[in-house]
Order: sequence, then C-alpha cells, then structure tokens
Amino acid sequence: EDQVTQSPEALRLQEGESSSLNCSYTVSGLRGLFWYRQDPGKGPEFLFTLYSAGEEKEKERLKATLTKKESFLHITAPKPEDSATYLCAVQASYGGSQGNLIFGKGTKLSVKP
Amino acid sequence: KAGVTQTPRYLIKTRGQQVTLSCSPISGHRSVSWYQQTPGQGLQFLFEYFSETQRNKGNFPGRFSGRQFSNSRSEMNVSTLELGDSALYLCASSLQDRRETQYFGPGTRLLVL
Repeated sequence: EDQVTQSPEALRLQEGESSSLNCSYTVSGLRGLFWYRQDPGKGPEFLFTLYSAGEEKEKERLKATLTKKESFLHITAPKPEDSATYLCAVQASYGGSQGNLIFGKGTKLSVKP
Repeated sequence: KAGVTQTPRYLIKTRGQQVTLSCSPISGHRSVSWYQQTPGQGLQFLFEYFSETQRNKGNFPGRFSGRQFSNSRSEMNVSTLELGDSALYLCASSLQDRRETQYFGPGTRLLVL
C-alpha cells in the first residue's frame, strides 16, 4: 500500500535554529514527491517537486532533498514567518492510486523569535 | 494570474442535508481535483475532473459526487450529510493532468451539526 509518514509531528525552533523535517514513503514506483506549506485556514501552497533520488531544490531558507526511501526539508536559520504545517505528498507511477497525490499528516513547525 | 478560488468559504449544515461546493481553477488549467482534509485522516483524494469527465476517484462513498463545466469550473456535491463529513474541502487545479503540479485553493470549511 502506498503511504507517506512525516516526522516529527510538531517541531518548535528558536529563530535562527536550523533543522530538518523528514518524509518517508513507500510507493508503487515514485513519479514525483511534492512539498507544500499550509498556513492555518488556508489551502496548501506549493513549494517543490522532486522526481529522482539525489535531486535537490532550494527556495530561500528551504532546501528539499530526495533519496529512494525518504525526503528531507531542511530549514536554515528559520524566521517566525516560516511557522506553518509542512506537507509531503507522493505520486505513484502505477497501481490503483497511480497519479493521485498521497499526503502525509504533516509537520507543524513553530519558530519563536 | 488569479489563483484557485472556492466558494463558499464556510458552510454550516445539518445531518441529512446536501451541499454543493464550487471551484474555479487557475485560468488555462483544465484538470480539477478535490480533496477532503480532516485532523484525523489528513488530506485524502476525492476525485479528478478533466474536460467535463471524471478521470479518477478516491475511496469515498457514492454520496460524494462532482461535475465539471465547459469552462473548467467544477462543483462537488455531498448528499445526505453525516457528522463525519465535517472537514475542509480543497480544490486543486493543474494544467492538463493531476500528475502535474497541483495548485490549491483556500478551501471550503464544512461543519455538519
């Protein structure tokens, strides 16, 4: 069964304290892995897509990496405005859920000034 | 370019009623997918529409249905509402196919009493 597990469920950081969020997955052939950011009361905001192991993408203080079994979202010197829930999703290349986005439960990040 | 819009943003219904939610995709996007988000289950895929046809469906009962119009706008309907249908309903659009990057709207929060 295709599934995504994110850890930790919640993470509290001080401003400037770098850390990483983990997304481990099992999927019937990975077509793509997606990271989204979701603020309270809003829809998910697209951040990155990764397609193959070894691929990396960066955007401001965020850097996403991908291996054959997991992805990491590294946050460098976070600021309070980075506080949000970060969602990871995978798409399978084949199988019953082919093409559908399968989401993890998310990591709720709080950055204190 | 305007993003995905959803109406209404908030809705309160009672058990047994039915509800219709609306989604307008990003201009030029032809694929519309619907998701249900709850604290317990996270984001779950409901169905996808393209060219007025349902292309894929998630594991939800037949009470959940949808349609798409020629201008790519989409509606979803939930009949005979149950308490467990209380959730944030999210619409996402992509250019041609749900396997491409999906951009989410702000969601409609449905409360069933």
